[in-house]
Amino acid sequence: EAQVTQNPRYLITVTGKKLTVTCSQNMNHEYMSWYRQDPGLGLRQIYYSMNVEVTDKGDVPEGYKVSRKEKRNFPLILESPSPNQTSLYFCASSSIRDTEAFFGQGTRLTVV
Amino acid sequence: DQQVKQNSPSLSVQEGRISILNCDYTNSMFDYFLWYKKYPAEGPTFLISISSIKDKNEDGRFTVFLNKSAKHLSLHIVPSQPGDSAVYFCAATRDDKIIFGKGTRLHILP
Repeated sequence: EAQVTQNPRYLITVTGKKLTVTCSQNMNHEYMSWYRQDPGLGLRQIYYSMNVEVTDKGDVPEGYKVSRKEKRNFPLILESPSPNQTSLYFCASSSIRDTEAFFGQGTRLTVV
Repeated sequence: DQQVKQNSPSLSVQEGRISILNCDYTNSMFDYFLWYKKYPAEGPTFLISISSIKDKNEDGRFTVFLNKSAKHLSLHIVPSQPGDSAVYFCAATRDDKIIFGKGTRLHILP
């Protein structure tokens, strides 16, 4: 089954404690991206990757890092989380040739 | 600066009638426009897309219309069904980036 898997689904952490949200896809997609969804703001792109070792900033990259060492994985790293990063995060993947993106189930992060 | 705008936060439509969701954009350089549907506690799922060189794309009950001169696109759902109740996001792509609107919550009334 084609899918994008994010872990964890829920996470509560404290300010400043580094965390990683993992994302994995099994469709051999080149393009992967991270979004955050906040009330009244919709989905905003954080980072995206066109392929292995190729990453670029989206619209709201501050406070986040990503890496793309393998095609299937695209982890989102928060080196020093702050309360304003409390949000619902989605990972997505797509083929370069297609417009359709597949989204993960989401990770609800709370930073206290 | 909001490049993709969905000005209606919510919309209620009677079951069986047509649902029309609207989206405006400001950047004429967008390549593709897409609609995603999102249920609570799930990730968005792709619904339909349209290239910037076309003005209409149809897929079953879903039709997207693009009016480039007005920088406006709309999603028509005919007939509306209870399972269509969800949040709908309009999105546009440019230079490998995807920009989403804030979403419109559609309620299908029995």
